[in-house]
Amino acid sequence: DVKVTQSSRYLVKRTGEKVFLECVQDMDHENMFWYRQDPGLGLRLIYFSYDVKMKEKGDIPEGYSVSREKKERFSLILESASTNQTSMYLCASSPGGMNTGELFFGEGSRLTVL
Amino acid sequence: RKEVEQDPGPFNVPEGATVAFNCTYSNSASQSFFWYRQDCRKEPKLLMSVYSSGNEDGRFTAQLNRASQYISLLIRDSKLSDSATYLCVAQDSSYKLIFGSGTRLLVRP
Repeated sequence: DVKVTQSSRYLVKRTGEKVFLECVQDMDHENMFWYRQDPGLGLRLIYFSYDVKMKEKGDIPEGYSVSREKKERFSLILESASTNQTSMYLCASSPGGMNTGELFFGEGSRLTVL
Repeated sequence: RKEVEQDPGPFNVPEGATVAFNCTYSNSASQSFFWYRQDCRKEPKLLMSVYSSGNEDGRFTAQLNRASQYISLLIRDSKLSDSATYLCVAQDSSYKLIFGSGTRLLVRP
């Protein structure tokens, strides 16, 4: 069974803290993605990666960075958390090839920044 | 203007009803379309792809109208378990998926 695992379901952090969100997939997928989901705004793409050590900016990369040192792991980093980064963060993966419409999502990490 | 727009609902229907959702997209270069389902406090999962000729999967029918730039999802004989948020998704020419903000469906006994 396909599995995307996000390390933390719920996090509470303070403004200015550095935050790491970890995501691991066990499907040997080439593509990995980070989205945030906010009411009324839907899912917005933050960063994505089509290969190890490769990353591309999505639609809202400001305030975020990513790391993909291994194929199965894609980390999202908030260098200095701010209250407007309070959100649900969803990691996803998909097989290689750019035309797939099926993403496999993790259960999400709900981040609250105080 | 959002690239993919959906009525947020909620659509509140009795069991057994037929319900339809529409979704409009603004980028005429969008190539492929999908419906995802997201249960409360769960992750989105692919429900079905949307083909130009229309496609059916059991009680679910998806249709695409490229001229009017809208996609529809029809659910027949609604079940309680159909209660969820349905996300419309368009794939642009660079293969990026653009998600709508979802339409919430509540099926009541």
